Amino acid sequence: EVQLLESGGGLVQPGGSLRLSCGVSGFTFSNYAMYWVRQAPGKGLEWVSFIGHDGGNTFYADSVQGRFTISRDNSKNTLYLQMNSLRVEDTAVYYCAKDGGLGRGDYWGQGTLVTVS
Amino acid sequence: DIQLTQSPSFLSASVGDRVTITCRASQGISSYLAWYQQKPGKAPKLLIYGASTLQSGVPSRFSGSGSGTEFTLTISSLQPEDFATYYCQRLNSYTLTFGGGTKVEIK
Repeated sequence: EVQLLESGGGLVQPGGSLRLSCGVSGFTFSNYAMYWVRQAPGKGLEWVSFIGHDGGNTFYADSVQGRFTISRDNSKNTLYLQMNSLRVEDTAVYYCAKDGGLGRGDYWGQGTLVTVS
Repeated sequence: DIQLTQSPSFLSASVGDRVTITCRASQGISSYLAWYQQKPGKAPKLLIYGASTLQSGVPSRFSGSGSGTEFTLTISSLQPEDFATYYCQRLNSYTLTFGGGTKVEIK
């Protein structure tokens, strides 16, 4: 069974940092690209960042470029999102998703809440 | 950047109704589009990709069509468990843009 489990969310002051993790199981992690998506309270989905299967390609939404860093450790089956210089508008539930091909998110975690206040 | 615009943003329907949601792209994206369903407090669930390919395990009452700039998600006979918010997403890109969402509520 494919499982993705995010952790690391919490309350942080503006300007602070957090690192989110997404532990996966049930598939060969190193074969798949992954990405992060967030959802502000009562709002729609916003793509945040993408990483290729080997970590060689990374991309970011303009809203987080230069502040967030996506990475992965294929030996630990874990995806990361380092978030620095956090802003109030970064408050959201952050989801990790497995890229099932061409960017389609075929499996998602349950989400972790980040509150910047 | 390519933008995705969904319409309507909200619709009220009854069980058994046929429901159609539209997603328009600001530029042509061939068939590189997916649809998701999201229920309150839950992660999105992939319904359709490649504009019309049903994800494994998704009921056949869901269908997708379109290419280029206009796409539709159709629910042939709305069921109680289908009341949710639906999002379209651009595929084949490292910048995976989502539409604004369509909330389907019970009439």
